[in-house]
Amino acid sequence: EDKVVQSPLSLVVHEGDTVTLNCSYEVTNFRSLLWYKQEKKAPTFLFMLTSSGIEKKSGRLSSILDKKELFSILNITATQTGDSAVYLCAGVGASGTYKYIFGTGTRLKVLA
Amino acid sequence: DAGVIQSPRHEVTEMGQEVTLRCKPISGHDYLFWYRQTMMRGLELLIYFNNNVPIDDSGMPEDRFSAKMPNASFSTLKIQPSEPRDSAVYFCASSALLAVNYNEQFFGPGTRLTVL
Repeated sequence: EDKVVQSPLSLVVHEGDTVTLNCSYEVTNFRSLLWYKQEKKAPTFLFMLTSSGIEKKSGRLSSILDKKELFSILNITATQTGDSAVYLCAGVGASGTYKYIFGTGTRLKVLA
Repeated sequence: DAGVIQSPRHEVTEMGQEVTLRCKPISGHDYLFWYRQTMMRGLELLIYFNNNVPIDDSGMPEDRFSAKMPNASFSTLKIQPSEPRDSAVYFCASSALLAVNYNEQFFGPGTRLTVL
C-alpha cells in the first residue's frame, strides 16, 4: 500500500530559527512529490519535485528530493510567526492517474 | 477566477440525516478531487473525476458515501445516512493537466461537517 510519512509530527521554534521537515514515501511508480502549506483553511501549493538532487527555492523556503532514499526535506530559514502552519507532503504515482497520497503533516509553531 | 468554491462552509447535522456538500471547480480544470481531513488520518482522497467521469473511488469509505459530477462546473458529495464518525473537513480540489508530471491541485476552503 502506498504511504507517505512525515516527521516530526509537531515542532515549536522561535523566530529566526531554521527548521527541517522530513517526508519519506513509498509510492508505486513514483512521479513527483509535492509540498503544501495549510494554515487555517485550504492547503496552498509550495513546491513540486520530480528530480533528485535539484533544490527548489522560494524565498526562505527550499526543498529537495532524494529518489534513491525515497525522501524529501523542506527547509525554512529565519522562521517568522507567519510560517506557523501545517506542512503537508504528498506523493504522486502510477502512470495515467493523478492521485495524491498525503502524509499527516507536520504542525509548525513559530513563537515571537 | 474565484478559485474552487465549496458550500456550505459549515454543516451541523444529526446522525441519520442526509448531507450534501457542493463544489464548483476552477473553470477549465478537468480534474476534480474530493478529500476528507481528520486529525487522526490526515488528508485522504475519497474520489476523483476526470472530464466529469469518476476515475478512482477506492477511497470512498462505504456505501453511505456517493459523489456525482453532472457537468464540468459542479460536483456533489453526499452522505446518507450520516454518522458521527463522518465529522471532518471535506475539501474539494481541481487541477488541469499541464504536462505529464505537472498537475498542481488547487483546494477549496473546505466544508466543516459535524454530525451529532
